Amino acid sequence: DADVTQTPRNRITKTGKRIMLECSQTKGHDRMYWYRQDPGLGLRLIYYSFDVKDINKGEISDGYSVSRQAQAKFSLSLESAIPNQTALYFCATGQEVTDTQYFGPGTRLTVL
Amino acid sequence: TQLLEQSPQFLSIQEGENLTVYCNSSSVFSSLQWYRQEPGEGPVLLVTVVTGGEVKKLKRLTFQFGDARKDSSLHITAAQPGDTGLYLCAGENTDKLIFGTGTRLQVFP
Repeated sequence: DADVTQTPRNRITKTGKRIMLECSQTKGHDRMYWYRQDPGLGLRLIYYSFDVKDINKGEISDGYSVSRQAQAKFSLSLESAIPNQTALYFCATGQEVTDTQYFGPGTRLTVL
Repeated sequence: TQLLEQSPQFLSIQEGENLTVYCNSSSVFSSLQWYRQEPGEGPVLLVTVVTGGEVKKLKRLTFQFGDARKDSSLHITAAQPGDTGLYLCAGENTDKLIFGTGTRLQVFP
């Protein structure tokens, strides 16, 4: 079984809809991250969490919110989706920043 | 704000050729990681370099961290089709990773 899972894997939605992307991990890591990936821009950090009670904004948090329901679960919400949020979204987990970050398989989101 | 620039952005070569990918910044990083990403998957860590001037080898891949810890390079010797993928560098900045813009490598048989 995969250590980091993301659901859904693909989603097409319309402008203005609320969307939630979910991430679960079985690695027992405290730190979890949400990134978005756009062509030519690499991965950009949206939000990160160092434990259940610690949530931090990343580089591009506007238009997004997160919830850390448990050590193993970290969800990303788009309250009112817009077309420029069309992207690949990745969840990752890790222990220390210099250690490996383990990435999920990604969610491809299209906002029409 | 993107702090890490990678070059080239795209690279298309024949099997057996050598290549170098560069990762440059005006910022100093405590450490730097290189990841490879294949289509439909998340990035997978290849190596972490920590000390300025450090060189690490992973089979045919050689990674170097610049003396000033602002840049890094990845050299692949005798590239193979299995090396095809998106290569990403990532620098540690205030307890977070800042990812580079990526280099998409295609190796033809």
